[in-house]
Amino acid sequence: QKEVEQNSGPLSVPEGAIASLNCTYSDRGSQSFFWYRQYSGKSPELIMSIYSNGDKEDGRFTAQLNKASQYVSLLIRDSQPSDSATYLCAVPTTNAGKSTFGDGTTLTVKP
Amino acid sequence: KAGVTQTPRYLIKTRGQQVTLSCSPISGHRSVSWYQQTPGQGLQFLFEYFSETQRNKGNFPGRFSGRQFSNSRSEMNVSTLELGDSALYLCASSGGQGAYGYTFGSGTRLTVV
Repeated sequence: QKEVEQNSGPLSVPEGAIASLNCTYSDRGSQSFFWYRQYSGKSPELIMSIYSNGDKEDGRFTAQLNKASQYVSLLIRDSQPSDSATYLCAVPTTNAGKSTFGDGTTLTVKP
Repeated sequence: KAGVTQTPRYLIKTRGQQVTLSCSPISGHRSVSWYQQTPGQGLQFLFEYFSETQRNKGNFPGRFSGRQFSNSRSEMNVSTLELGDSALYLCASSGGQGAYGYTFGSGTRLTVV
């Protein structure tokens, strides 16, 4: 089992729809969780962080965390073509200066 | 606030050569991590430096090495290049060993021919 797994893509949604991206992790001791967005040919950009169970909203983005299920998700509401990118889930290893990244889910938002 | 600066942006090297990549983190950040990104393997952790000390190392051969200077700038070196080393090398700056997330540099695209 991979340490961080993301739902396999690619994911395609129409403009204005909700895009749902999922991630599971294996280390029950993980305390922080991050979502990065990577446009083609660019480097990853941090877009969301979540540390506590529940939801965290930032504009059109909502991160959801369920530590009991070892599950974290990212919802993008009112998806726009500019949201088309690869989304990476990342889980830092406690006190190790290392993060484990999922393989990414490529999202395409069609006008 | 200046971002993370990586140089060079692109490199083409021949098998057997060595290469040095440079990274200047965000001012005040003392943690610099390096990652290799390839289409097949995704983002793989190389190593992390904090206050000039390597704190953690990924599962890469000894040909991959790095260092950090007193001003937090970091370099990574790859010796005896192999075709499989062709990748995007990303430097990540963090204020807390990645616990608060990373700011990535633009990356160095290395092609080994």
